[in-house]
Amino acid sequence: DGGITQSPKYLFRKEGQNVTLSCEQNLNHDAMYWYRQDPGQGLRLIYYSQIVNDFQKGDIAEGYSVSREKKESFPLTVTSAQKNPTAFYLCASSVDRTGELFFGEGSRLTVL
Amino acid sequence: GENVEQHPSTLSVQEGDSAVIKCTYSDSASNYFPWYKQELGKRPQLIIDIRSNVGEKKDQRIAVTLNKTAKHFSLHITETQPEDSAVYFCAAGENSGYSTLTFGKGTMLLVSP
Repeated sequence: DGGITQSPKYLFRKEGQNVTLSCEQNLNHDAMYWYRQDPGQGLRLIYYSQIVNDFQKGDIAEGYSVSREKKESFPLTVTSAQKNPTAFYLCASSVDRTGELFFGEGSRLTVL
Repeated sequence: GENVEQHPSTLSVQEGDSAVIKCTYSDSASNYFPWYKQELGKRPQLIIDIRSNVGEKKDQRIAVTLNKTAKHFSLHITETQPEDSAVYFCAAGENSGYSTLTFGKGTMLLVSP
């Protein structure tokens, strides 16, 4: 099955700890994205990557970091500098030309 | 940057009625306008999109219209069914192949039987 896999689905962490969310795709897409979804706020772009070893900040990058060492993988680290990390995180990838985004099932992070 | 406003935030209709969701955008360079549907607990999925060289596009019970002059676009769902209940997001961006989309805040559509 082709698609995007995010893990873990649920994650609980103590305040001050860094956490890393995994995102893997086997769609052979060049572009990958991380969005944050909060109730009533829509989808806000955290980081995106167009090619391996390159990525750009989105609208709300502060307190987050990413890497793109492989085409298939785009992990997101939520650092202790993120002031309000509790949220639902969605990873996506896109095919060139159409721009259609294919989303993973999301990871819900709760910071206690 | 781009700013997308979406209205209404919630919409309740009776089964069989039509539903209309409206979005406005600010960046005249935007030329790609997709709509995503997110059912409860599931991932967003593309349901229809329109590019700026087209004024209207239909796919069975759903249609999207675009007014470039006024910078607004709308989603129309006819003969609504309970399974249409979901959160709908509009988005705008440049279809440059590696565009980043700006999303609206979403509309929760509730279709009552």
